[in-house]
Amino acid sequence: AQTVTQSQPEMSVQEAETVTLSCTYDTSESDYYLFWYKQPPSRQMILVIRQEAYKQQNATENRFSVNFQKAAKSFSLKISDSQLGDAAMYFCAYSGGLDNNNDMRFGAGTRLTVKP
Amino acid sequence: SQTIHQWPATLVQPVGSPLSLECTVEGTSNPNLYWYRQAAGRGLQLLFYSVGIGQISSEVPQNLSASRPQDRQFILSSKKLLLSDSGFYLCAWSISSNQPQHFGDGTRLSIL
Repeated sequence: AQTVTQSQPEMSVQEAETVTLSCTYDTSESDYYLFWYKQPPSRQMILVIRQEAYKQQNATENRFSVNFQKAAKSFSLKISDSQLGDAAMYFCAYSGGLDNNNDMRFGAGTRLTVKP
Repeated sequence: SQTIHQWPATLVQPVGSPLSLECTVEGTSNPNLYWYRQAAGRGLQLLFYSVGIGQISSEVPQNLSASRPQDRQFILSSKKLLLSDSGFYLCAWSISSNQPQHFGDGTRLSIL
């Protein structure tokens, strides 16, 4: 079974600085999808960024980018120019590539604190 | 645009009482629907998913059940709540498998 591991329960970053959140996963599939979700104190889950495993180019969304290392099964999230509003729980998630695969696996999360 | 509504936002129930949480999606047809539970400070655990009306798949054996009486309505139920059912419940939808899931605002359930 696929597993997702986030080894950093908590991280902190100074406002305007850059922080990287780690995520590794275990799978035997060659085609799959990876996601980062943000959960602020309001508890709503918000999609931050998505990466298809067949794409070599790292996904980027404004200040958010990923470092996808398929061979190492690593999918880290980099937040540049951190803002106070970035403070939240961040979850890494994996979804298999089969059309009938509805099982999205989530990591345990990393709590990010942004210091002013 | 698509929206997802989940209610109630908070719920306090005694042990042994029944439960009904409702989730509806607007602005899309035949979505995949999901129920997750999130324990305090933990990740999400998939409870149920549905790819169509009346089609429910259960991921974790428990005293909870789910139903999809209409295309865009997903209900989480229990006949008798346990203390261990406390948690934060999230409903989500996606266009299809492997596409990003979009979440509701969640229901905080406390069992006394």
